[in-house]
Amino acid sequence: QQQVKQSPQSLIVQKGGISIINCAYENTAFDYFPWYQQFPGKGPALLIAIRPDVSEKKEGRFTISFNKSAKQFSLHIMDSQPGDSATYFCAATNSGNTPLVFGKGTRLSVIA
Amino acid sequence: ETGVTQSPTHLIKTRGQQVTLRCSSQSGHNTVSWYQQALGQGPQFIFQYYREEENGRGNFPPRFSGLQFPNYSSELNVNALELDDSALYLCASSSRQRGVYGYTFGSGTRLTVV
Repeated sequence: QQQVKQSPQSLIVQKGGISIINCAYENTAFDYFPWYQQFPGKGPALLIAIRPDVSEKKEGRFTISFNKSAKQFSLHIMDSQPGDSATYFCAATNSGNTPLVFGKGTRLSVIA
Repeated sequence: ETGVTQSPTHLIKTRGQQVTLRCSSQSGHNTVSWYQQALGQGPQFIFQYYREEENGRGNFPPRFSGLQFPNYSSELNVNALELDDSALYLCASSSRQRGVYGYTFGSGTRLTVV
């Protein structure tokens, strides 16, 4: 049973464009929603995270939008750069000491 | 501050064999979690160790086992390897206080079972 559904599976964006990756979750007990970035040959690295008490969180070019009623959240990458080319995973958990449940990932390619 | 180190980086095993993967946690971290990332999938939780005891387990069979040592490093052991065990195995360390909020992942061990 997949508790976090991520789309699209792959994404190609022009340099300078906006990359948007979407996730939907089922478990209403989830209260922490991080996004991880993974480069080939590396482990996932935390990019940005949000809790359900806010609808948006922005850090530099990266923004999470959160819709609690729809049980959806998304990652927006503004002014996408070739260096952003990586696989992005959304995840969720319902407390700090329960494991993360990951989406299947989105492979982003930013082309010049 | 050292990060999370995993060894080996790659290995190839034959079906039915046993394998041990190793993880050195980040300085100051006392919990270690292991995840399996199959090709084209997100990481899936295997188990977590705290104070040298298993402290949570995902949907993996008993042939997946682990250890945590007094220095907080950890091992993942897989017996009777199956082809479907081929994956990237990730170790994440954190402090008990921060839990998943403070995860630092290693670069993983790529296991191929033939």
